[in-house]
Amino acid sequence: AQSVTQPDIHITVSEGASLELRCNYSYGATPYLFWYVQSPGQGLQLLLKYFSGDTLVQGIKGFEAEFKRSQSSFNLRKPSVHWSDAAEYFCAVVRPGGGNKLTFGTGTQLKVEL
Amino acid sequence: DTGVSQDPRHKITKRGQNVTFRCDPISEHNRLYWYRQTLGQGPEFLTYFQNEAQLEKSRLLSDRFSAERPKGSFSTLEIQRTEQGDSAMYLCASSSDTNQPQHFGDGTRLSIL
Repeated sequence: AQSVTQPDIHITVSEGASLELRCNYSYGATPYLFWYVQSPGQGLQLLLKYFSGDTLVQGIKGFEAEFKRSQSSFNLRKPSVHWSDAAEYFCAVVRPGGGNKLTFGTGTQLKVEL
Repeated sequence: DTGVSQDPRHKITKRGQNVTFRCDPISEHNRLYWYRQTLGQGPEFLTYFQNEAQLEKSRLLSDRFSAERPKGSFSTLEIQRTEQGDSAMYLCASSSDTNQPQHFGDGTRLSIL
């Protein structure tokens, strides 16, 4: 079945440390790829997107993500985490020709220790 | 760009009652989406509109659910005869085109007593 996997349910990092959140997808063709962030009780904010082209994409708030076709992955990274980055992070995909509906992973809850 | 607006933010109701939520998309966006998010899960697609046409509905959208976008602007999502399992966050999103990212509102949290 076509799906999005975020293998880490919870991650804790110290403020100032680097961060990598994993995302894998299983689709026949390369989908459009997204990362969203959600603070408690809020909607989702788009961090970055990949449609095609350069496989390293830059987003807001200092985040970046790298698309690796060979690994069917789209991992999110940040070199130095701030306490305000504590939130839930969702990887999502749109299957080309799939009506632009997003399929989300189950999310990774990020905790930042001061 | 005032963002996607959803009303109400919270709704508490008794089982069996009907509820209606409203979503106002970003003004120039012709695509509007509804998602449902339960605790500890990612959002799940319910339905989407292009202008006033409802183009796709998920199997999650039982016959108790109905969505409309009568003039191609705001949309409403109605749940009839609510059940405990309907308790969730209902999220609305909009986009300007097929290949453009979706922008989300803050959601309506529904609690069924």
